[in-house]
Amino acid sequence: DQQVKQNSPSLSVQEGRISILNCDYTNSMFDYFLWYKKYPAEGPTFLISISSIKDKNEDGRFTVFLNKSAKHLSLHIVPSQPGDSAVYFCAASANTGNQFYFGTGTSLTVIP
Amino acid sequence: ETGVTQSPTHLIKTRGQQVTLRCSSQSGHNTVSWYQQALGQGPQFIFQYYREEENGRGNFPPRFSGLQFPNYSSELNVNALELDDSALYLCASSFWTGGGEAFFGQGTRLTVV
Repeated sequence: DQQVKQNSPSLSVQEGRISILNCDYTNSMFDYFLWYKKYPAEGPTFLISISSIKDKNEDGRFTVFLNKSAKHLSLHIVPSQPGDSAVYFCAASANTGNQFYFGTGTSLTVIP
Repeated sequence: ETGVTQSPTHLIKTRGQQVTLRCSSQSGHNTVSWYQQALGQGPQFIFQYYREEENGRGNFPPRFSGLQFPNYSSELNVNALELDDSALYLCASSFWTGGGEAFFGQGTRLTVV
């Protein structure tokens, strides 16, 4: 049972444009959400997170939006850079114990 | 501050064998979680260890077991290997305070033939 879903396996964006990666979840008990970036042959690297008490969190070029009523979150990257090309995983947890549930990932390609 | 390191990086085993994977957590972290990432999938939670005790387990059979040591390093043991156990195994360390990100190692690629 996939509790966190990323329905777009891949996304291509021109350099300088906005990248929007989407994530849906089904478990209403999730209260903490994260995005990880993964390059080939490396482990996932933490990118940005958001608590369920917020609806937006921004860190430089990266912004995460959370819509609790729709059980949906998105990651915006502006402006996109070729170095952003990687697989992005959405993750969620239902308690403070860092037991994450991951989506299947979206492969982002930023075209120079 | 040292990051999370895993060993070995690659491993080939025969069906039915047993395997032990190792993880050194990031300095100061007392919680270690293990994940299995099959090809084309997201990481799936196997179990978590906090202060040397199992603290939560995902939907994995008992032949997946683990240990955490006083220095917070950890082992993942898999008995009676099956072909479907072929995957990338990721270790993640974190503070138990929660609400924070976990830091992942580079993973161990296990191939069962």
